[in-house]
Amino acid sequence: GAVVSQHPSRVICKSGTSVKIECRSLDFQATTMFWYRQFPKQSLMLMATSNEGSKATYEQGVEKDKFLINHASLTLSTLTVTSAHPEDSSFYICSAPVAGTDTQYFGPGTRLTVL
Amino acid sequence: SQKIEQNSEALNIQEGKTATLTCNYTNYSPAYLQWYRQDPGRGPVFLLLIRENEKEKRKERLKVTFDTTLKQSLFHITASQPADSATYLCALETDRGSTLGRLYFGRGTQLTVWP
Repeated sequence: GAVVSQHPSRVICKSGTSVKIECRSLDFQATTMFWYRQFPKQSLMLMATSNEGSKATYEQGVEKDKFLINHASLTLSTLTVTSAHPEDSSFYICSAPVAGTDTQYFGPGTRLTVL
Repeated sequence: SQKIEQNSEALNIQEGKTATLTCNYTNYSPAYLQWYRQDPGRGPVFLLLIRENEKEKRKERLKVTFDTTLKQSLFHITASQPADSATYLCALETDRGSTLGRLYFGRGTQLTVWP
C-alpha cells in the first residue's frame, strides 16, 4: 500500500530557531499534500494545502510567513516552522492523496517541542 | 459556526460486543465522510469512506451509515476485539476537484475494548 513518511519523528529546539519537517510519498507521486497540526486530545487541524510547483494555500488563521511550505517535487513537501515559540509545540502530520483512490495516506507525524 | 462533534470522548466496551460511535456535524455540506483510526503518537489510518448519496457502507467488521438529513454518521465495529482499542476520528470532505479535498476532523472517540 501507499506509504507516506515524515522526518524527523521528533525534534526539540530552542525558542527562536527554525525547524524543517519533511513529508515524502514513498511509492507514489503526490501533486498535492496537506499539513495538519494536532494538540493533545484535540482534533487534527488543517493548516495548509501544499501544491507541487506552486504556492501553498493556507487555512484561515495560519500565518504563511511563519509556516513556510515548499513542494519542490512530486514526492516531497517541507514545512518550516520559523522563529518557533513554545506555543508551536505540537504534533505535525502530513497527508497525500493517491490519484484514482478515495483516500489520503497520512504520515506518522512529527512531534515538535519548543523549549 | 461549523462543528464536528463525536459523541463521547471515551467509550469502553467488552470484547465481542458492538461498538457504536457517533459523528454529528453542523454548518457543513460534506460530499464525503471518512472514518480513521489513530493510535497514540501515530498518524491516522484510513478505514472507510461514504459518499453523500450513500446510506451505508461495510468493510469486514466495520459498518458506516450516513444520514445527511440528521447530519450524522454512525460507525459500528462488530465483534470487537482488544486490538480495536484506539481513537477513531470522523472527517468531512466538503469539496473535491481533480484530487481529494481538504479534510475537517472531529476530536475523536477513544475506544477501549476490554477482555
